[in-house]
Amino acid sequence: NAGVMQNPRHLVRRRGQEARLRCSPMKGHSHVYWYRQLPEEGLKFMVYLQKENIIDESGMPKERFSAEFPKEGPSILRIQQVVRGDSAAYFCASSTAGYGNTIYFGEGSWLTVV
Amino acid sequence: SQELEQSPQSLIVQEGKNLTINCTSSKTLYGLYWYKQKYGEGLIFLMMLQKGGEEKSHEKITAKLDEKKQQSSLHITASQPSHAGIYLCGAYSGAGSYQLTFGKGTKLSVIP
Repeated sequence: NAGVMQNPRHLVRRRGQEARLRCSPMKGHSHVYWYRQLPEEGLKFMVYLQKENIIDESGMPKERFSAEFPKEGPSILRIQQVVRGDSAAYFCASSTAGYGNTIYFGEGSWLTVV
Repeated sequence: SQELEQSPQSLIVQEGKNLTINCTSSKTLYGLYWYKQKYGEGLIFLMMLQKGGEEKSHEKITAKLDEKKQQSSLHITASQPSHAGIYLCGAYSGAGSYQLTFGKGTKLSVIP
């Protein structure tokens, strides 16, 4: 079984451009989470989605960041007008259900803003 | 907000030695996850503990949850170079929360 698939693995964007990160959850998983890992910092929760619904986005920056998980296709984390501080590793995770279920992480997408 | 403190921050052991990594929470633990991460790579799920006193083992790795002490420990027996990496503990931010709060990690190096 394929695990959580993220692409691109590495992405370079100039300041002001847009970054789109994609995540395909494990087969049978309908719950998706996005986390961010900044240099020298721990993993921080960003958003939790189920198909077509955002359940908890309390960890998302108020501006420029958005996430979706459409009925068909992967989950997308979109960062508009990127700044150098957005440079980080973005991890997607998935589970079969919410609280108390095993959460599997993907390989991550490394965003570098130049 | 909940904080998880991992100790030690880094660890260098000789191959074949046993070691223990601790994860202490500032609040009651509602589920505790252990992951392993290699630099520049994703997180590999190791174990999840939910009940006080629970203990799980996989190959040479054993994890325990002490709910009263708000602490979990990860023990590796007869370490191997393949065990090297960063070990992360993560716990739910509260009862019914979907967010995992993570510790800053313990970097393990195993010398052949």
